[in-house]
Amino acid sequence: SQKIEQNSEALNIQEGKTATLTCNYTNYSPAYLQWYRQDPGRGPVFLLLIRENEKEKRKERLKVTFDTTLKQSLFHITASQPADSATYLCALDPTGGGNKLTFGTGTQLKVEL
Amino acid sequence: GAGVSQSPSNKVTEKGKDVELRCDPISGHTALYWYRQSLGQGLEFLIYFQGNSAPDKSGLPSDRFSAERTGGSVSTLTIQRTQQEDSAVYLCASSQQVQAYNEQFFGPGTRLTVL
Repeated sequence: SQKIEQNSEALNIQEGKTATLTCNYTNYSPAYLQWYRQDPGRGPVFLLLIRENEKEKRKERLKVTFDTTLKQSLFHITASQPADSATYLCALDPTGGGNKLTFGTGTQLKVEL
Repeated sequence: GAGVSQSPSNKVTEKGKDVELRCDPISGHTALYWYRQSLGQGLEFLIYFQGNSAPDKSGLPSDRFSAERTGGSVSTLTIQRTQQEDSAVYLCASSQQVQAYNEQFFGPGTRLTVL
């Protein structure tokens, strides 16, 4: 069966460190993968998209990698801040059409002072 | 500009009642999506609309669920004869067009509690 797996355990790190979140998928061959941020009581907010032919994508302090051989995406936040504390979701579209995103359950990140 | 809005923000209902959830997408966005997020679960795709095309209803969990989009803008998700397992946060999203690579803009969601 198709699955998207993210670490269900919360990730606690110290301010200034790099946070690394993992997204693994099985039985998909996605053309792209997206990362979203979700704060409590709010809808997800889009952060980054990476295509299957891209190994790495950066946006300010964010970096995403995409390894289609390992079927894994890594999401990095460098120089983390308490304001980065949130749940981070990865999502992909198994149909390739861009209209049926399948989301992982998300990983909660807490950045401590 | 205004984002995606949803109403009500919270809805408590009794088992067996019907509920209607409303979504106002971003003006100009032709694609509209409904998702459901249960506690500890990922977002579950329910239905999407694109322009005047027939909606993709493949994610609706049962025939008690239906949705419509009037005038290519506002959408209503209706759940008939609600059950306790319908309790979840219902999220609406819109995007400029349905094609790969377009980000989806989400509303704040409606938290539905079925007693």
